[in-house]
Amino acid sequence: DIQMTQSPSSLSASVGDTVTITCRASQSINRYLNWYQQQPGRVPKLLIFAATTLQFGVPSRFSGNGSGTDFTLTISNLQPEDFATYYCQQTYITPYIFGQGTTLEIK
Amino acid sequence: QAHLVESGGGVVQPGRSLRLSCAASGFTFRSYAMHWVRQAPGKGLEWVSFISYNGSDKSYADSVKGRFTISRDNSKKTLYLQMTSLSAEDTATYYCARDPNSYGYSSLEHWGQGTLVSVFS
Repeated sequence: DIQMTQSPSSLSASVGDTVTITCRASQSINRYLNWYQQQPGRVPKLLIFAATTLQFGVPSRFSGNGSGTDFTLTISNLQPEDFATYYCQQTYITPYIFGQGTTLEIK
Repeated sequence: QAHLVESGGGVVQPGRSLRLSCAASGFTFRSYAMHWVRQAPGKGLEWVSFISYNGSDKSYADSVKGRFTISRDNSKKTLYLQMTSLSAEDTATYYCARDPNSYGYSSLEHWGQGTLVSVFS
């Protein structure tokens, strides 16, 4: 199975900051990488699919990059509603494993 | 507006079985692949299973393979997850999610609210 490792596991930032979360696959997954946001007590929400494509309705301050094994999610100009947990997921081959999550907290 | 509603969760003893349902509305269910994802209390997301739009292709996480069976009834616009030999490790909120397979890339675009399964004696 392909393993997905996110870093950091948690980070603190302030409103208006820019942060980057990294996701590494244990083998190449081309661009078969999705990012999700889960706010506390809420259902996960798709942010980015195919590594770089912004899901309809997601603000442009979210961006994804990468291919192969290394991927990033960057959030610019952090807003209060962005403080949540973020997950990557590979969909190159089943099982479609998620990363362990990165919790973004308000500093 | 797409809508997914899970049901069938509850409290069950170890070793018993449970069937979850996911009722779809507001979109052409038969055109979408579907997934089940679970989340144990306070933990991260765990992908559980996938079924293609017509039910011909299925896949499972290693942790549930041989115990869980995914299926769908496109005439009823409903997705199912039959779970057997349940253990405490299966305690989680179970979500169904639709997959548009945009440009050949699978993603979990729309999620239900989830149904809680608690396994304990």
